[in-house]
Parts: sequence; C-alpha cells; structure tokens
Amino acid sequence: SQKIEQNSEALNIQEGKTATLTCNYTNYSPAYLQWYRQDPGRGPVFLLLIRENEKEKRKERLKVTFDTTLKQSLFHITASQPADSATYLCALEGAGGSYIPTFGRGTSLIVHP
Amino acid sequence: DTAVSQTPKYLVTQMGNDKSIKCEQNLGHDTMYWYKQDSKKFLKIMFSYNNKELIINETVPNRFSPKSPDKAHLNLHINSLELGDSAVYFCASSQDPSGTGDEQFFGPGTRLTVL
Repeated sequence: SQKIEQNSEALNIQEGKTATLTCNYTNYSPAYLQWYRQDPGRGPVFLLLIRENEKEKRKERLKVTFDTTLKQSLFHITASQPADSATYLCALEGAGGSYIPTFGRGTSLIVHP
Repeated sequence: DTAVSQTPKYLVTQMGNDKSIKCEQNLGHDTMYWYKQDSKKFLKIMFSYNNKELIINETVPNRFSPKSPDKAHLNLHINSLELGDSAVYFCASSQDPSGTGDEQFFGPGTRLTVL
C-alpha cells in the first residue's frame, strides 16, 4: 500500500541555521508533491508545489527538491527563525486517475533563538 | 475575510448522537474537501466535491454523509456518533480538483469530542 514517511521526531535547530526536513514515499508514483505548514490548532497552509519532472523549486527562504528515483523530497528553510517553528506536512497526488491526495503525518520543527 | 470557514470550532457530544459541521468558502473555488486528522496527526481525506458532484469518497462509514447545497458550501453530517469519531475535521477547497496539484486552502478545523 502507499506509504509516506516523515520523521516523527521533532527537529530542533538554532536560529539562523538551515532546517532540512525529509519526505520519503513507497508504492507511489506521484505527479505532484506539495509542502504545507500547520500551526497548533489551525489548518494546514500551502507553501510549495513541485512536479515530478522538476528537480528543485525555490520560494524566498524555502527550497524543495524532488528525487523520483530515491522517492524522496527534501524541504529546506534557510536562515531559520523562531517564527518558522511549526509542523510541516508533505502531500502527494497522482495523476491519470490516482487523484487521492495523501498527506504525511508531518515533522515538527522547533527553531531556538 | 476568512477564505474557508467552519462551524462550530468545537463540538462535544455524547455517543449515539447525530451532528453536523458546516463549511463555507468565499474563494469561488469549484472543489471542496473534508479531511479527518486523528490524534496521531494523520490527515486523511474523506470526501471531495467538484461543482457539487461527489468525486472522492474514501472508505468512510456511511454514518458520514456530505452534502453540497452549492459550490461554496460543503456540510458534513454524522449519524450515531462513536468514540472513534473523535478527531479534528478540516474542510478545504481548491480551484481545480485533486490530481492537478492545485493548492488547497484549509479551514480552521472542528474539534469533535465524543464522550
């Protein structure tokens, strides 16, 4: 069955460092991979989309890579700030009939001042 | 202005009761969704409507019935509530249906507690 794995342990880093979060998947050939941010008590907020034919996407301090051979996406936040502390979810969508969006359980990021 | 709104934010009820959660989006989107986020934080899709037509219906007990009176509203009715229904329910919307990579806009969630 399709499976998405995100590190269940919280990632603790110092302010100013680069945070790197991982999303691994199995038994899936996604056409799209998205990253969302979720703060406690709130709904997820969309951050970035990367397509299967794209290797890398950037938006301000955010960078996403997508390796369909390794079945992995990496999400980087450079120059991290305490305000970046949140849970980050990856979501996969297939195409051509596999329309069910599937979310990982997320990784909690804590940025210490 | 809130893009996707849900009511109520909190819902505490007894086992066996019937309850409804309402969702409205003012983004002009064609597609709306219901998700369930359990205590382990997994966000699982339940239903999706596109232009008031049901297009995704995951393995959800038929005690759960979505209703879309128009494109801007998607309500969720739950019959005979069980303890295992306790979770946070999120409504979301997107312009295009899933399978296109279109970003989803989520509501603030409804925390349902069944006693």
